[in-house]
Amino acid sequence: KNEVEQSPQNLTAQEGEFITINCSYSVGISALHWLQQHPGGGIVSLFMLSSGKKKHGRLIATINIQEKHSSLHITASHPRDSAVYICAVRGSGGSNYKLTFGKGTLLTVNP
Amino acid sequence: DAMVIQNPRYQVTQFGKPVTLSCSQTLNHNVMYWYQQKSSQAPKLLFHYYDKDFNNEADTPDNFQSRRPNTSFCFLDIRSPGLGDAAMYLCATSRDRAGFTYEQYFGPGTRLTVT
Repeated sequence: KNEVEQSPQNLTAQEGEFITINCSYSVGISALHWLQQHPGGGIVSLFMLSSGKKKHGRLIATINIQEKHSSLHITASHPRDSAVYICAVRGSGGSNYKLTFGKGTLLTVNP
Repeated sequence: DAMVIQNPRYQVTQFGKPVTLSCSQTLNHNVMYWYQQKSSQAPKLLFHYYDKDFNNEADTPDNFQSRRPNTSFCFLDIRSPGLGDAAMYLCATSRDRAGFTYEQYFGPGTRLTVT
C-alpha cells in the first residue's frame, strides 16, 4: 500500500465547476505539498502545508493532521487548470528531506 | 524570474555515451535534489546535496553521479546511459535548517532521450 493515496485518479470537469482532489497519508509528516505538472512539463509547487488552510487565487488547500488528510480545491475551474496534481509528503525525523509522492490526479477541464 | 534553471530542456544521447545535465538556482538554497521521473510515474529521488554533503539514495544505480561545485550549480552525470534511463530529470532546491521544513522549488526538467 502506497504511503500517500490520492483520489480520484482521473477527474473530468466542465469549465466553472468546483474541483476537489483528496490526499490521505499513513506516515508522520512535517509538511505536505501540492504540486502541479502539465503534460510533458516540469513541476510547479502550489502549496506547502503543515496545518490549517492556505489560499492562492482560485486554489485552496486544507490539511487535517489528526485525520492525516488533505484536500486541494479549485474554484471556478478553467481549461488551463488541466494538469496532473500531485500530493507529496515530507517525512518527520531523520528522513525529513525526502518527499513521498502520490500517484497524481489527472484533471481535465473542458470548455 | 527563473529561480531553478535546467539545461538543456531536451537532451538526446546515444546508448552508452556519457551525458551531463545541469541545474542552477538563484535562490541561494542550501539543498539541491535530483529526481528521475519516468512516464506516468511519480518522481523518484536519486540523490541530494545538503550543503556540500552528498546523499545518495540506496537504490540509485552507480551509473548516476552528481557534482556540486558551488551553492548555485549542481550536475547530474550519467556515465553510460541505457535505454531505461530515458526519463524526465527534475532538479529541485530547498532552504533547510535543522528543525525547519521549507518548500521545494522545482526546475522545468530535462527530458532525456536515449537512442
